[in-house]
Amino acid sequence: QSVLTQPPSASGTPGQRVTISCSGSISNIGNNYVYWYQQLPGTAPKLLISRNNQRPSGVPDRFSDSKSGTSASLAISGLRSEDEADYFCAAWDDSLSGVVFGGGTKLTVL
Amino acid sequence: QVQLQQWGAGLLKPSETLSLTCAVFGGSFTDYYWTWIRQPPGKGLEWIGEINHSGITNYNPSLKSRVTISVDTSKNQFSLKLNSATAADTAVYYCARGHPPGNWGQGTQVTVSS
Repeated sequence: QSVLTQPPSASGTPGQRVTISCSGSISNIGNNYVYWYQQLPGTAPKLLISRNNQRPSGVPDRFSDSKSGTSASLAISGLRSEDEADYFCAAWDDSLSGVVFGGGTKLTVL
Repeated sequence: QVQLQQWGAGLLKPSETLSLTCAVFGGSFTDYYWTWIRQPPGKGLEWIGEINHSGITNYNPSLKSRVTISVDTSKNQFSLKLNSATAADTAVYYCARGHPPGNWGQGTQVTVSS
């Protein structure tokens, strides 16, 4: 059971906008930055978004995030077939003094 | 650009000690926490613990009794030891930089089986 809650699956058609939610508590999302990762099959997770909606070099601006209270969302606009992957959220947790992850959302591009 | 390269034994018998090492190339070694994360087959990510260059550690409470993370600043390396391994410890293990992590190693498949 993951500390952060994500839907197990999401889907969309090419060109659509899709959002993936991540729900936590005051000790993690409420007080800290949320990070988002993309994981393609058989590969290590890749950082998509870090603090204050920062994207590493090479991550397109089709990926964006938002946060409200103890929930966060990842939005993917102009959905493409290569976006089909698993997506994870993560945050530091003040109570645990450690990093907590969501269970992951499998995105299917129909 | 920082790179993390990890290695260690990929097959263990139950009760043996899992041992992995991660070398850091490029970037600052002193400005970050260095992290271990694992992913059981078909499952999500689990934070194992972290260490900084001074040797200050934080561990996942669920693994704390079996985990030791150490650092060798002379080599820009950090290591993971997990003792009394069981089949439940079978996973891909990743080293990474930061908390939450930004840069990740390539991952090491560790299988615990008799």
